[in-house]
Amino acid sequence: QKEVEQNSGPLSVPEGAIASLNCTYSDRVSQSFFWYRQYSGKSPELIMSIYSNGDKEDGRFTAQLNKASQYVSLLIRDSQPSDSATYLCAVNTGNQFYFGTGTSLTVIP
Amino acid sequence: DGGITQSPKYLFRKEGQNVTLSCEQNLNHDAMYWYRQDPGQGLRLIYYSQIVNDFQKGDIAEGYSVSREKKESFPLTVTSAQKNPTAFYLCASSISLGTEKLFFGSGTQLSVL
Repeated sequence: QKEVEQNSGPLSVPEGAIASLNCTYSDRVSQSFFWYRQYSGKSPELIMSIYSNGDKEDGRFTAQLNKASQYVSLLIRDSQPSDSATYLCAVNTGNQFYFGTGTSLTVIP
Repeated sequence: DGGITQSPKYLFRKEGQNVTLSCEQNLNHDAMYWYRQDPGQGLRLIYYSQIVNDFQKGDIAEGYSVSREKKESFPLTVTSAQKNPTAFYLCASSISLGTEKLFFGSGTQLSVL
C-alpha cells in the first residue's frame, strides 16, 4: 500500500467552478500535511499546509483534514486557467516526507 | 534572496558515465534531500542528510551517491550503475529533519544520450 494516494485525474473544471482534490494516507503517526502545485517542467511550490483537524482557508484555497479517516483535501474556489497544474499531496511523518503521484487539474476558460 | 540553486538545468549522460548534479542552499537549513520524479509520478526520495558529514539512503538510493561536506552543499552523483537515470531531479531543504516545510530548487532534467 502506498503511503499517500491521490486520484491522478485528469480533473477538468470550467473557469469559476470549484475544484476538489483528494488525498488519503496510510501512516497514522503523520503529523503535518501539505499541498504543492507543480507546473510542467517546474519544481513544486507550497500552496497550503495543515496540521490539525478541520478546515484552513487561504484566499481561494481551503485545505481540509480528517485524521480519523486519514484524509486530506484541497478545494480551489473560483478556479482560474492559471490554476491548471499538477497538485501534489505530501505528508510528513516526523522524519520523512511522502508524496502522492499528483492530480492533474485543467481549468477550461 | 535566500533559496536553493540547482545546476545544471539540463544534463545529458553517456552510457557508462558518472554525472554530478549540484545543489547549494543559503537558507541555513540543516536538512537536505534529493528526490527523483518520473513523468506522471510523484517524488521518490533518493538520499537525505540532516547534518554535515551524515546522510541516509532513501527509497531508491541504488545507483546514486551523495556527500555533505558543507552545510550549504549536497551534490548528487548519478553513477553508471543507475541503468535508468532519465528523470527530473529535485533538491530540497528544510530547517531540520521532519520539520514542516520543504523548499525546492528549480530542478535538473537528466537525459541519456
